[in-house]
Amino acid sequence: DIVMTQTPLSLSVTPGQPASISCKSSQSLLHSDGKTYLYWYLQKPGQSPQLLIYEVSSRFSGVPDRFSGSGSGTDFTLKISRVEAEDVGVYYCMQGIHLLTFGGGTKVEIK
Amino acid sequence: EVQLVESGGVVVQPGGSLRLSCAASGFTFDDYAMHWVRQAPGKGLEWVSLISWDGGSTYYADSVKGRFTISRDNSKNSLYLQMNSLRAEDTALYYCAKGDLGYWGQGTLVTVSS
Repeated sequence: DIVMTQTPLSLSVTPGQPASISCKSSQSLLHSDGKTYLYWYLQKPGQSPQLLIYEVSSRFSGVPDRFSGSGSGTDFTLKISRVEAEDVGVYYCMQGIHLLTFGGGTKVEIK
Repeated sequence: EVQLVESGGVVVQPGGSLRLSCAASGFTFDDYAMHWVRQAPGKGLEWVSLISWDGGSTYYADSVKGRFTISRDNSKNSLYLQMNSLRAEDTALYYCAKGDLGYWGQGTLVTVSS
């Protein structure tokens, strides 16, 4: 099974400042079709997870451009260029190359 | 607009059975595989099961294999999860998710308790 490891566990950010979350997979997420199946979700309090980024760096419909994803192989990063109050919640990375596995989550709060 | 609405979650005793449903709308249901994902209270996300667009292939997490069965009825735009031999550790909010993983329902709560 592919293990997804996220760091840090939590993040406290001043509004307007950047934030970064790391995600490492135990195996490469690069598929033979050339795509890398790494996703990022945000779960706001009391809500379902919402997709932010798919295939490492593609923003899902309606996602603000302050969210960006990068990485390759087994190492990935989600960056928020300027954190806003509405960005609080738990962020999860997820691999989709072999069924699905989620990272443990990173809780983001506002200072 | 894509909508996924789960139902069927209740309080059930250990060893009991339950069937969850997910009603889909706003997209061509039989074009997509579908997933069930769960979240125990205060915990992270755990993938449960996947079914192919035609129901011909199914996959399960080791934690539910042999106890849960995923199925679908494309004529009714519906996804199901039959849950047998329920355990306390199956207590969770169960989400259905569209195969492209961009859309999730609001979840239905299953509580396994005596």
